[in-house]
Amino acid sequence: GAGVSQSPSNKVTEKGKDVELRCDPISGHTALYWYRQSLGQGLEFLIYFQGNSAPDKSGLPSDRFSAERTGGSVSTLTIQRTQQEDSAVYLCASSLEGGYTFGSGTRLTVV
Amino acid sequence: ILNVEQSPQSLHVQEGDSTNFTCSFPSSNFYALHWYRWETAKSPEALFVMTLNGDEKKKGRISATLNTKEGYSYLYIKGSQPEDSATYLCAPLMDSNYQLIWGAGTKLIIKP
Repeated sequence: GAGVSQSPSNKVTEKGKDVELRCDPISGHTALYWYRQSLGQGLEFLIYFQGNSAPDKSGLPSDRFSAERTGGSVSTLTIQRTQQEDSAVYLCASSLEGGYTFGSGTRLTVV
Repeated sequence: ILNVEQSPQSLHVQEGDSTNFTCSFPSSNFYALHWYRWETAKSPEALFVMTLNGDEKKKGRISATLNTKEGYSYLYIKGSQPEDSATYLCAPLMDSNYQLIWGAGTKLIIKP
């Protein structure tokens, strides 16, 4: 597609359950990023994929968070045993050289 | 740790007034500076990419300047309108690895 697509757009889950968030980047973009925005906060970096290189996972807040990118395209962010503090908007972005294009985000609410 | 600072954190401006805010960043290893506009409930949208010292970009009523030697950029909005209400993010690129370093943003609220 023309833009970065994220699904679902909204997700409400019970504390302790696992969730998967999906990002479909712009075709041909080699870099893919996951960020989150908690209420009243700025962009928090989570993880960065660049081509076939090992991902930069330095922003993942705990070992309950993991992400993979299959075939250099679609990425899935998985949060295991969700906690209330995981509630946030999760944004994905892709880029080819420099400028980022963001998806519309997944709003995750853990109840 | 690279420090990107944006000030002020938030700003209330009367409709029709002009305003500006600042992004400061380390001046060494500078590669490019990106400005994004982030409206509530939407995703960030690219405004400008600036690379050269003294660069000035303009899009309608919004313009930006860049000083790479001292490590700052200003964003100006002339004749603010309610639709300008958003968070404005700056993000320098400090090398050529294409990972932007994000400021916390300036939240602009235009009062009708």
